[in-house]
Amino acid sequence: GQQLNQSPQSMFIQEGEDVSMNCTSSSIFNTWLWYKQDPGEGPVLLIALYKAGELTSNGRLTAQFGITRKDSFLNISASIPSDVGIYFCAGRPPGNEKLTFGTGTRLTIIP
Amino acid sequence: SAVISQKPSRDICQRGTSLTIQCQVDSQVTMMFWYRQQPGQSLTLIATANQGSEATYESGFVIDKFPISRPNLTFSTLTVSNMSPEDSSIYLCSAPGNYGYTFGSGTRLTVV
Repeated sequence: GQQLNQSPQSMFIQEGEDVSMNCTSSSIFNTWLWYKQDPGEGPVLLIALYKAGELTSNGRLTAQFGITRKDSFLNISASIPSDVGIYFCAGRPPGNEKLTFGTGTRLTIIP
Repeated sequence: SAVISQKPSRDICQRGTSLTIQCQVDSQVTMMFWYRQQPGQSLTLIATANQGSEATYESGFVIDKFPISRPNLTFSTLTVSNMSPEDSSIYLCSAPGNYGYTFGSGTRLTVV
């Protein structure tokens, strides 16, 4: 099935650094969601975005719904060890309850 | 948001057998979704399960291989039938909530 273009595929950063990842689509979405998945667990919702241009924060996390409705980004400030994991974006197209997932960004913190 | 209990969390199965995965939601939801996550990959939607009607399957997935039940608004099962090693994956259920979509903790299936 269709997947969203998510980049970067992986990131290796040092603790305390800021992180930025994004998702792009060729079609518009009404909802953008950002999830984090730890090993052996299901994805956990971090931030939900429902309106073009919306900018939402959740602690050190900030996400934006792109004005064109075809993209979204997630920023993590001052990374800490527990930020390690795989981050997925997901979009819900107009008139459809099904989510399309991004390919994922694997975040690793270098000691 | 809804809380979803999924079981089993993991299983190792012989090829040719079937495994049924259960998901229980703590509130009534109209739709539930079943996903497969192959090793190192993203989530791929298998089917949408609505209460009172047959599940709707995505391209590449068929009812004979992945039968789904949805007997009420809080429960659903997915069966992986006649398993082969290629079915080794994580299977996840999901439901929409007031704030985004919630996922179960996943079932890690290994077929030997």
